[in-house]
Amino acid sequence: AQKITQTQPGMFVQEKEAVTLDCTYDTSDPSYGLFWYKQPSSGEMIFLIYQGSYDQQNATEGRYSLNFQKARKSANLVISASQLGDSAMYFCAMREASRNYGGSQGNLIFGKGTKLSVKP
Amino acid sequence: GAGVSQSPSNKVTEKGKDVELRCDPISGHTALYWYRQRLGQGLEFLIYFQGNSAPDKSGLPSDRFSAERTGESVSTLTIQRTQQEDSAVYLCASSLVPGGSYEQYFGPGTRLTVT
Repeated sequence: AQKITQTQPGMFVQEKEAVTLDCTYDTSDPSYGLFWYKQPSSGEMIFLIYQGSYDQQNATEGRYSLNFQKARKSANLVISASQLGDSAMYFCAMREASRNYGGSQGNLIFGKGTKLSVKP
Repeated sequence: GAGVSQSPSNKVTEKGKDVELRCDPISGHTALYWYRQRLGQGLEFLIYFQGNSAPDKSGLPSDRFSAERTGESVSTLTIQRTQQEDSAVYLCASSLVPGGSYEQYFGPGTRLTVT
C-alpha cells in the first residue's frame, strides 16, 4: 500500500488565486512528520513546510500553509495568491519515527507529486 | 553558505559499465541520504548515513548498488554493471541531524543515462 498518496497528477490555477494540493498518508506510527517540497523544472528540491504529528496548530510559512487533518490522515498544502514562479512539481513526504536506525530517524517517503501550472 | 553539491551533473554510460556518483554534504550535517528519481516519478529512498553508525541500506534495489561515506564528509554511490533501468536522477540530501522537523537539503542531482 502506498504510504503517501497525491491524487492530482496535474493542477491549473489562475495567478493570484489560492490552490490546494492534496496529500493523504498511511501510517500506524503515532509519531511522524510531514513535509512538502517544491521541484521546479531546474530539478532542485526546495523545502516548503513541515508539520509534526503532535503539533496542535497547522503549519504556516509565508504563502504556504498546511491543512493538517490527523483523523483523516491528510496534509494538504495551500498556496495563497499564486504566482507564476509557483509553477513546479510539488511533493508531499513523510518521515516515520519508527524507522529508527542507530537510534535516529531516517529517510523521507515521497508521493508521486502534483504538477502545478499557474496561468497568467 | 555552500549547499549540497553533487558530481557529475550528467553521466552517460554504456550498459554493463560501473559508475560512481559523488555527494558533498553541507558542512556539519551528520545525516546524508541518497534517493533515486525516475522520470515523472517521486523520490525513492536508497541509503542513509548517520555519523559513524552503520548505514541503513534498506532502500538499495540490488546488490549492484553500494555507497560509502567517511565520517561526516563526502559520500559516493556506486552502481556496478549498469542496466537501462538504472537511468534516473540520483539525488543526495543532508540534514543537520536526522529526524524531527529538520528538513533535508537536496543537491542538484546527477542525471544518469544508461545506453
